[in-house]
Amino acid sequence: DQQVKQNSPSLSVQEGRISILNCDYTNSMFDYFLWYKKYPAEGPTFLISISSIKDKNEDGRFTVFLNKSAKHLSLHIVPSQPGDSAVYFCAARKGNFNKFYFGSGTKLNVKP
Amino acid sequence: NAGVTQTPKFQVLKTGQSMTLQCAQDMNHEYMSWYRQDPGMGLRLIHYSVGAGITDQGEVPNGYNVSRSTTEDFPLRLLSAAPSQTSVYFCASSSQIGRRTDTQYFGPGTRLTVL
Repeated sequence: DQQVKQNSPSLSVQEGRISILNCDYTNSMFDYFLWYKKYPAEGPTFLISISSIKDKNEDGRFTVFLNKSAKHLSLHIVPSQPGDSAVYFCAARKGNFNKFYFGSGTKLNVKP
Repeated sequence: NAGVTQTPKFQVLKTGQSMTLQCAQDMNHEYMSWYRQDPGMGLRLIHYSVGAGITDQGEVPNGYNVSRSTTEDFPLRLLSAAPSQTSVYFCASSSQIGRRTDTQYFGPGTRLTVL
């Protein structure tokens, strides 16, 4: 049973517009959340993270929002660029601080 | 720094064969881990290690063995490959702050096919 879910397998957005990628989780013990970006034939690369004590974290064009009551987090990319086209994974950590659970990924396509 | 390196990039095995996927990092990270990526499943943690001589199971450890004799290396062994182990395997490493592991750095992956 997946504890971290990304229910949208794909998303298509026009260049310059906002991309919103969503992630839901089931375990209230998760204390740290991350987003990774993955290009084909490469390993995932870290994008942005948020601790459970915060509800927002911003880094340039990327902002992650955390809604603990809804067990939901989202990644906003503004403005979207064609180079942002990739698969985005959300991940969560719990308990003994060393186990990470990943969602199934959302493939973002930013059209020029 | 080379970061996290994995060999081989591709491998085809027959059912029952054994092999070792290699992973090395040159960042002096305490934490290393192995994941498998399957369609629709995301990345699932197989095994991880918080230092030389210390390993623990992740979400899907069955059919895999690991050991950590040095800080740099964390090989993953398949003792008797099965078609269900066809997947893309990623190794990752991270520094630790106290007992916590934060951001992981991933290798480029090994694509394994078991016939």
